[in-house]
Amino acid sequence: EDQVTQSPEALRLQEGESSSLNCSYTVSGLRGLFWYRQDPGKGPEFLFTLYSAGEEKEKERLKATLTKKESFLHITAPKPEDSATYLCAVQAGYDKIIFGKGTRLHILP
Amino acid sequence: EAQVTQNPRYLITVTGKKLTVTCSQNMNHEYMSWYRQDPGLGLRQIYYSMNVEVTDKGDVPEGYKVSRKEKRNFPLILESPSPNQTSLYFCASSFGLDRRPGELFFGEGSRLTVL
Repeated sequence: EDQVTQSPEALRLQEGESSSLNCSYTVSGLRGLFWYRQDPGKGPEFLFTLYSAGEEKEKERLKATLTKKESFLHITAPKPEDSATYLCAVQAGYDKIIFGKGTRLHILP
Repeated sequence: EAQVTQNPRYLITVTGKKLTVTCSQNMNHEYMSWYRQDPGLGLRQIYYSMNVEVTDKGDVPEGYKVSRKEKRNFPLILESPSPNQTSLYFCASSFGLDRRPGELFFGEGSRLTVL
């Protein structure tokens, strides 16, 4: 069964304290792994697409990496405005995207 | 401005009273989808549409209907709502999962309460 598991469920960091969020997946025929950011009361916002093991993408303080079984979202020197829920998703086939349950990130000033 | 618009944003209704949540996108996207988001369960797909007049069930389609008569609109219909359909609903669209995999644009969400 296709599955996406994110850890930890929640993470509290001090401003400037770097860390990583994990997304592990089991899917047949992976066509891409995606990271989204969701602010409270808002719809998810697309961040990155990763297609193959070894690929990396960066945006400001965020860097996403991909291996054959998991992806990491590294947050370097985070700021309070990085506080949000980060969702990982995978695409299996041409019509199905499976989301993980997300990691709630809280950055303390 | 490129956007996915959902209405209503908030709705309280009673069991059995039919309702429709509208979704419209202005990006000429082929793919549209409905999700519900519940605490501890994450985002779960209800229905999706690859193009006009083409719809298919997602993971939790029971109690819902959809239609795709025009490219820009994808309404979600609850024929006889029940309390277990109380949830936060999101509409999303994309150029097509084969062309731009996973790059979904989401609406702001519709919070539905069924009493």
